[in-house]
Amino acid sequence: DAGITQSPRYKITETGRQVTLMCHQTWSHSYMFWYRQDLGHGLRLIYYSAAADITDKGEVPDGYVVSRSKTENFPLTLESATRSQTSVYFCASSGVSNQPQHFGDGTRLSIL
Amino acid sequence: KNEVEQSPQNLTAQEGEFITINCSYSVGISALHWLQQHPGGGIVSLFMLSSGKKKHGRLIATINIQEKHSSLHITASHPRDSAVYICAVRGGATNKLIFGTGTLLAVQP
Repeated sequence: DAGITQSPRYKITETGRQVTLMCHQTWSHSYMFWYRQDLGHGLRLIYYSAAADITDKGEVPDGYVVSRSKTENFPLTLESATRSQTSVYFCASSGVSNQPQHFGDGTRLSIL
Repeated sequence: KNEVEQSPQNLTAQEGEFITINCSYSVGISALHWLQQHPGGGIVSLFMLSSGKKKHGRLIATINIQEKHSSLHITASHPRDSAVYICAVRGGATNKLIFGTGTLLAVQP
């Protein structure tokens, strides 16, 4: 089915571990985004990508790495997870800059 | 001070009531979005507007660019409208959204 999917939906890991959150969209949208959602904060942009092989930092990029080798995939990696990265992570995509973003269902990540 | 402020933060209503959620912003924008997030669920875009008013079913969104203010109205509210409603603004040409912290709406039967 067409859409945007995130995996896993839930993840528990330990501090210091590397973890990768996956995001896949089937619309061939140019733009893709990673956000984190925490209590007391609005969604905050971690990284975004305007096209394959083009990525840029958002508001809170420290501790995260992204890549975009294919238009449809935009994985987010925590290279050495910390407790402060416990959050709900949302991936989103849009075709062009003046279109609404379509969000995945989120990944709830807990770091112990 | 946040660039996007929503009020109220929490709202409880009785089924059938008319509901208004407000959003004020302090930056120049090209568009404003209203989104809905159900408990444990994903986020759905309701409206994108840059001027005037839009209506979809029982939902109405308005924006006043001069006053930097938008409102989301729900007419004849229903328990299934219970969700977090999020205001976000897009500024400039980067397509980056700046989000409010959301309004938690509970509609009781």
